[in-house]
Amino acid sequence: NAGVTQTPKFRILKIGQSMTLQCTQDMNHNYMYWYRQDPGMGLKLIYYSVGAGITDKGEVPNGYNVSRSTTEDFPLRLELAAPSQTSVYFCASSSVPSSYEQYFGPGTRLTVT
Amino acid sequence: GENVEQHPSTLSVQEGDSAVIKCTYSDSASNYFPWYKQELGKGPQLIIDIRSNVGEKKDQRIAVTLNKTAKHFSLHITETQPEDSAVYFCAASIRDNNNDMRFGAGTRLTVKP
Repeated sequence: NAGVTQTPKFRILKIGQSMTLQCTQDMNHNYMYWYRQDPGMGLKLIYYSVGAGITDKGEVPNGYNVSRSTTEDFPLRLELAAPSQTSVYFCASSSVPSSYEQYFGPGTRLTVT
Repeated sequence: GENVEQHPSTLSVQEGDSAVIKCTYSDSASNYFPWYKQELGKGPQLIIDIRSNVGEKKDQRIAVTLNKTAKHFSLHITETQPEDSAVYFCAASIRDNNNDMRFGAGTRLTVKP
């Protein structure tokens, strides 16, 4: 199993550009999450999904959108990039309720200039 | 919502010594407290977790204690080794609602050989 994979690893965007961060898991987990991690801060939840076709906002959803058309994929969309979205983005998955452990991908480092 | 505070932000110990990291939480409804280890360039990985019906849990050199009355929990690492060097995050959530997990800001642990 590859676990949780994320692409790209690094990206530089100009203000106002758009991009999609890809996330795929091969563990058949129902729950998936997107977090952002700012320097010296803990992870903050952006969006989550409890299954295909179901998504909901987390703590910091503004400026982002998500979709969940399959169990495996949970892409995160930035429509109009802003410098405040410079961060490291982590995707995670878990098999709630059988386990509450979240499995994280390696992250995407995004810089908006 | 839940607020998790973590101390210290950095911790340096000599190999073989013990390390203690402390967290406090604000929401008395929180009942699930995981600890994640994040190595450089990687996503966080669960190392131990505790439910609110348990006061202490051990796994080899790692232990976690929970004081529900005072709303604080701690990670204890004994006989530290250089490979324990990483950033450690505590978190708290209402277990049946795994989409509201709140993370502490992290502790950078350095174990000097």
